[in-house]
Amino acid sequence: GDSVTQMEGPVTLSEEAFLTINCTYTATGYPSLFWYVQYPGEGLQLLLKATKADDKGSNKGFEATYRKETTSFHLEKGSVQVSDSAVYFCALSEFSGSEKLVFGKGMKLTVNP
Amino acid sequence: GAGVSQTPSNKVTEKGKYVELRCDPISGHTALYWYRQSLGQGPEFLIYFQGTGAADDSGLPNDRFFAVRPEGSVSTLKIQRTERGDSAMYLCASSLSPGGYNEQFFGPGTRLTVL
Repeated sequence: GDSVTQMEGPVTLSEEAFLTINCTYTATGYPSLFWYVQYPGEGLQLLLKATKADDKGSNKGFEATYRKETTSFHLEKGSVQVSDSAVYFCALSEFSGSEKLVFGKGMKLTVNP
Repeated sequence: GAGVSQTPSNKVTEKGKYVELRCDPISGHTALYWYRQSLGQGPEFLIYFQGTGAADDSGLPNDRFFAVRPEGSVSTLKIQRTERGDSAMYLCASSLSPGGYNEQFFGPGTRLTVL
């Protein structure tokens, strides 16, 4: 079945550091790819998405590119802020009628001032 | 309200008891999903409703779990004869319609603890 493998944390960075969170996937078809974020005390929210190969999703300074050849969707940000401290989840959905999301395990990021 | 709401926010019950968890989706959203998130894990799909019908219940772990959405809006997840292993965060999400182009909006979750 479909699966998502992502870097596991926790990870601690200093403010303004570069961030990469690796994510690879296994899917039978041609999935849409997502990054969701969960800030402390809040619910899951969509950070960015890409629906076809070579698409780049971007939001709040974060970017991820859908790489079909390497089945990857790595999340990057050039300069993290304290407010980026959160848990990040990579996810996919396939065109299956339900488009249910399949999530990775999540990675907790802490950014120190 | 504007977002997905879930009640209760916390539920503590004893092993063997019956519980109901409620989800109010965003108005007008026809697709509704239930997920379960154990500590340190990503959410796992339980069931999907399109309108009133359960279109995909492949994620329900066993027949103690059941969910309804009788009027195509509010949904209730029902767990019979609860077990300690059912302890988790239960998340509800809704979207305008199914499809990878449509964002799923998540509620804050119900944290279930089975003693």
